[in-house]
Amino acid sequence: AQRVTQPEKLLSVFKGAPVELKCNYSYSGSPELFWYVQYSRQRLQLLLRHISRESIKGFTADLNKGETSFHLKKPFAQEEDSAMYYCALEDNQGGKLIFGQGTELSVKP
Amino acid sequence: DAGVTQSPTHLIKTRGQQVTLRCSPKSGHDTVSWYQQALGQGPQFIFQYYEEEERQRGNFPDRFSGHQFPNYSSELNVNALLLGDSALYLCASSRLGRGNTIYFGEGSWLTVV
Repeated sequence: AQRVTQPEKLLSVFKGAPVELKCNYSYSGSPELFWYVQYSRQRLQLLLRHISRESIKGFTADLNKGETSFHLKKPFAQEEDSAMYYCALEDNQGGKLIFGQGTELSVKP
Repeated sequence: DAGVTQSPTHLIKTRGQQVTLRCSPKSGHDTVSWYQQALGQGPQFIFQYYEEEERQRGNFPDRFSGHQFPNYSSELNVNALLLGDSALYLCASSRLGRGNTIYFGEGSWLTVV
């Protein structure tokens, strides 16, 4: 079964601290994985995808097929990073995203 | 480009009624998907439309139906509303195919009383 698990509902850190939001997936085949972010009162927007291997707003995510994980990391959290973060897996037909339950990141001053 | 636009933004319906939500995809996109997001949950896939046909469907009852028009815009219809249908309904658009960026609208908040 295709599934995405985000074990933490809430992650609270202080400004400048490192952040790691966990994501594990279940998928047979080559996964397409994404991180979406939703800032307060804004729409869901793509943060990054594993195939691009780029860093957006200082965030990176590495696909670990052995551990079936796609954790999101940032070395120094900023207050403006406070938001809901969703890990998502695209199914093999394309266009259908399977989301985790989301992790709320709260960065305190 | 206005991106994905949805209407209405908020609405309140009574149990048993029917509702229609509307979506215009991002310019250049031919595929529209609908998601239901209950409070505190991640979005759940309802169905996807391409070339005016339902291409994929999630685990939702037949009360949920949709339509795609020749201009790629789409509607989501829900019949016989239940209290449990109260949620944020998200429309997403993309180009057909795997690995393409999927863009989301701001959603329609449906409250069933």
